[in-house]
Amino acid sequence: DAGVTQSPTHLIKTRGQQVTLRCSPKSGHDTVSWYQQALGQGPQFIFQYYEEEERQRGNFPDRFSGHQFPNYSSELNVNALLLGDSALYLCASSLEGISSYEQYFGPGTRLTVT
Amino acid sequence: GDSVTQMEGPVTLSEEAFLTINCTYTATGYPSLFWYVQYPGEGLQLLLKATKADDKGSNKGFEATYRKETTSFHLEKGSVQVSDSAVYFCALRDTGGFKTIFGAGTRLFVKA
Repeated sequence: DAGVTQSPTHLIKTRGQQVTLRCSPKSGHDTVSWYQQALGQGPQFIFQYYEEEERQRGNFPDRFSGHQFPNYSSELNVNALLLGDSALYLCASSLEGISSYEQYFGPGTRLTVT
Repeated sequence: GDSVTQMEGPVTLSEEAFLTINCTYTATGYPSLFWYVQYPGEGLQLLLKATKADDKGSNKGFEATYRKETTSFHLEKGSVQVSDSAVYFCALRDTGGFKTIFGAGTRLFVKA
């Protein structure tokens, strides 16, 4: 049973560029959340997708956008990259319902903006 | 807004020592509380949870009790092992909410 997978593992981009990160949820899960983890910090919630719609968003600018596909996989897009966007981006999946608090995290995508 | 505060690390212990990592929270509602662990090079894993006051979460020898009166959820383990070396995150999730709020993490080193 595959867990949460993310691609790519590492990415280096230049300031001002755009980036797309991908996530496949754990088998059977229908909800995907994205988090940004700066070095030495805890993860910060970016947004959550359920039924192909964003249903809650954290304190992140519109440069951060996402998408969820019918197969429940998800993408995170970041436009006009800033140096401060350098971080580990984590995807977490869960199953809607009484156990929705139980999130499974992927290994993350390490984004470096130069 | 809601927040989580946990003790700063790193915490360095010898094998078989007793571990406590303090965590306090601020929340307007009745949140669920969690401890996550992040081993080197790996993603976060849910270690234990408590969904209401006085609940005790436990897993792999770790325990934490949801104390509403002190808004705390301290992590404890009676005898740590070298393999417990990792970063530990305290977190909360509001009732009816969808986001999880994490503390800054506490790095634990256990020496043989």
